[in-house]
Amino acid sequence: DVKVTQSSRYLVKRTGEKVFLECVQDMDHENMFWYRQDPGLGLRLIYFSYDVKMKEKGDIPEGYSVSREKKERFSLILESASTSQTSMYLCASSSRTSGGFEQYFGPGTRLTVT
Amino acid sequence: RKEVEQDPGPFNVPEGATVAFNCTYSNSASQSFFWYRQDCRKEPKLLMSVYSSGNEDGRFTAQLNRASQYISLLIRDSKLSDSATYLCVVNRPSNTGKLIFGQGTTLQVKP
Repeated sequence: DVKVTQSSRYLVKRTGEKVFLECVQDMDHENMFWYRQDPGLGLRLIYFSYDVKMKEKGDIPEGYSVSREKKERFSLILESASTSQTSMYLCASSSRTSGGFEQYFGPGTRLTVT
Repeated sequence: RKEVEQDPGPFNVPEGATVAFNCTYSNSASQSFFWYRQDCRKEPKLLMSVYSSGNEDGRFTAQLNRASQYISLLIRDSKLSDSATYLCVVNRPSNTGKLIFGQGTTLQVKP
C-alpha cells in the first residue's frame, strides 16, 4: 500500500523559531511536493523536487526552503517562523515514469506559530 | 482570474439525490484533469481522472469540455459517505508533474 508519512500531525512553534517538517515516501517516487492549505485559498505549492538534490520553487516559496538528500525524504524548513505561516502543510509524491500526475498525500501537519 | 475555479458550496443534499459540480480552468494548454476527494481533516485522494470522452466509475461520472475549458462531476444516488470536499485538479502544461488544485466544493449529504 502506498504510503507518505509526515513527522508530526500537530506542531506549535514560537515566532522566530526554525521549524523542520519531514516527509517520507516508500514508493520510490521521483517527484515530491510541499503544499500549504488554507481556508478559501485551497492548496498552494511551496516547493517541488523532481530528483535527489533537485528543487524548484512553487507559487509561494518566500520564507521557506527545502532539502532532498535522499530520494524518499523531502524536508520543508521555515527559517524563521512567522504567524502568517500558521497553516496545514501537506507533502505529496508522484511517479514521473507513470505520467507523474497522481499525487499521493501524507496526512498533513497542522502548524501553529504563536 | 484563478487558474482553476469551483463553486465552494456547500451543497446540502438529501440521500439519494443527484448532484453536479462544475469547474473551469484558464489554461487551454492543460492536458490532464482529475477530481480529488478530501474528507474533513484528511488528506486529498484521487477520486477519478477525467477523459475527453467522459468516464464513469459507479455512481460517479466525469465530463470534460475542452472548448469551454469546463469539467464536471456528477454523483448519482448520493450516500452519507459521499460527504466531503471535491477538488478539481488540472496539470500545469509544463508537464513536470505539477498540478493546480481548485479550492474545492463541499458536499454534505443529509439523511
